[in-house]
Amino acid sequence: GENVEQHPSTLSVQEGDSAVIKCTYSDSASNYFPWYKQELGKRPQLIIDIRSNVGEKKDQRIAVTLNKTAKHFSLHITETQPEDSAVYFCAATYSGGGADGLTFGKGTHLIIQP
Amino acid sequence: DTAVSQTPKYLVTQMGNDKSIKCEQNLGHDTMYWYKQDSKKFLKIMFSYNNKELIINETVPNRFSPKSPDKAHLNLHINSLELGDSAVYFCASSPNREELFFGSGTQLSVL
Repeated sequence: GENVEQHPSTLSVQEGDSAVIKCTYSDSASNYFPWYKQELGKRPQLIIDIRSNVGEKKDQRIAVTLNKTAKHFSLHITETQPEDSAVYFCAATYSGGGADGLTFGKGTHLIIQP
Repeated sequence: DTAVSQTPKYLVTQMGNDKSIKCEQNLGHDTMYWYKQDSKKFLKIMFSYNNKELIINETVPNRFSPKSPDKAHLNLHINSLELGDSAVYFCASSPNREELFFGSGTQLSVL
């Protein structure tokens, strides 16, 4: 099955700086890579996703990049704000065949220092 | 009008008891899931259920059993609760087996 590694486990950045979270996956058949944000005490929510036919995707201050050859993908948050503080999870799955659902990384606790 | 709702939000019980968590989605999605989030925040899939097809994560003890009376509901029954079952349990649904819509979670504490 799929194995997703995520680093770092904790990331502290100054407000206004950029944050980068990295993930690697093991199954070359995986072709869908979402990122979820979980605020304290809340449910995980999808913030951005990327498919294997795309190398980069942006949505305002967040972007995701994918390197299929190296089997890694990253989340980039620019101009960080206090509301960005949360746990971020990367995930991977094989679209159309992954009936067993997404495999998540272990999460990155992002702390935005004022 | 919550999209994925689960009850109860908190569940405190004694070791050895049997308990259930209910989940309902009003999004018309075909696939539903149960995930377990442990104290280290690790999200791990327990079950997926699609059109009467149940996929079970082989690491889940058989004390856990999902029950789906219809497409909009996937309940979780747990028998003989153990201390290690303490966690947050999230129900989720998906229109395409990709994007997940999570419920608000059930914090289970086994004493």
